[in-house]
Amino acid sequence: EVQLVESGGRLVQPGGSLRLSCEASGFTFSNYWMRWVRQAPGGGLEWVASIEPDGSVEYYADSVRGRFTISRDNAKSSLSLQMNSLRGDDTAVYYCTGHNYYDTSGQVYFRGQGTLVTVSS
Amino acid sequence: DIVMTQSPLSLPVTPGEPASISCTSSQSLLHRNGNKCLDWYLQKPGQSPQLLIYLGSKRASGVPDRFSGSGSGTDFTLKISRVEAEDVGVYYCMHSLQAPLTFGQGTRLEIK
Repeated sequence: EVQLVESGGRLVQPGGSLRLSCEASGFTFSNYWMRWVRQAPGGGLEWVASIEPDGSVEYYADSVRGRFTISRDNAKSSLSLQMNSLRGDDTAVYYCTGHNYYDTSGQVYFRGQGTLVTVSS
Repeated sequence: DIVMTQSPLSLPVTPGEPASISCTSSQSLLHRNGNKCLDWYLQKPGQSPQLLIYLGSKRASGVPDRFSGSGSGTDFTLKISRVEAEDVGVYYCMHSLQAPLTFGQGTRLEIK
């Protein structure tokens, strides 16, 4: 069974740091692009960051560049998001997703259930 | 940044009737490799977003064939041939042409 399980979300004070994790199982993690997407309360979807399958290149939204770092450990099938200098507008549910549009078995997308990050004093 | 614009933002539909959502991008989503870099997602209440359509018109695994995607360049459409009660939720288009990836505002489909 394919699973992406996020963890690490909690209440944190403005200016604080948090590390989110996403543990993958049931598929060949190293073949997939990985993304973090977030959704503020009552809001739409916002792309946060992506990382290539081999971890060689990272991409960030302007709103988080310089504060957040995406990383992956293919040996452990895990994805992380290190979040520093957190602000109130970072409050959101953070989703981990995996993509491979060219997977020959048709398994092109996997999603986690999300983890809630609340930034407040 | 590429701006994605969806319409309508609210879509009340009678079960069994068709539905259509439009998504327009501020620049062409045609990749140099010939792929159309446009996805459609559905976020059902209380759930994470699920992929319906990728590369403009390819149906994701497990997605019913009543869902179809079409379009090219800057104009794309998601069609549901016969809406069912389980199709309720918010539909988003998203481009994957280049960073930053951006989503449309979302279209809320409700059952009349």
